[in-house]
Amino acid sequence: DTGVSQNPRHKITKRGQNVTFRCDPISEHNRLYWYRQTLGQGPEFLTYFQNEAQLEKSRLLSDRFSAERPKGSFSTLEIQRTEQGDSAMYLCASSLASGGKLGYEQYFGPGTRLTVT
Amino acid sequence: GNSVTQMEGPVTLSEEAFLTINCTYTATGYPSLFWYVQYPGEGLQLLLKATKADDKGSNKGFEATYRKETTSFHLEKGSVQVSDSAVYFCALSGWGAQKLVFGQGTRLTINP
Repeated sequence: DTGVSQNPRHKITKRGQNVTFRCDPISEHNRLYWYRQTLGQGPEFLTYFQNEAQLEKSRLLSDRFSAERPKGSFSTLEIQRTEQGDSAMYLCASSLASGGKLGYEQYFGPGTRLTVT
Repeated sequence: GNSVTQMEGPVTLSEEAFLTINCTYTATGYPSLFWYVQYPGEGLQLLLKATKADDKGSNKGFEATYRKETTSFHLEKGSVQVSDSAVYFCALSGWGAQKLVFGQGTRLTINP
């Protein structure tokens, strides 16, 4: 068990460019979550998947944001036409919801810090 | 909607002092409650959890009791160490264990 991994760890981009982040969850976990954290705040939910199905999206997830989990394993989060307000830490988490486990315990990755200049 | 309110920080204590970080919540139904910790330069780690009223979560000397009557889940530790310096987040999830709703975090600094 290598934990949740995220790549890249840091991304600096210019306003208007597109960026894509990747998350690899803990291998047996079937749920995957994306959150955004700005300085001095707690993480805010963006979206989550159960296997490959995207089951909920926050209203924070504007049309410029899209997330996929094509084979129910890794996930990508793409931001199109980035804005300075998108600068934040993007966190990925995973959990196991199967059998007797309801998936309460979410395990977080180290995050991808995005800076939009 | 669901929400979590934590005591504002930062909190600074001396080593071996008693710690309380207050957390109250607003939720429909019967949420599960969590404390996460973020050490400097590291990701969020689950510290403890409680999934029903009157449950007590505990880990690494930290404790929190799920109080439905006061909608609270205060974090306590009897004797803090320098290594406890971190940011602590209270969080809840609704039935079905979907998204987490976090408080704003409390930065704790322990001085030797």
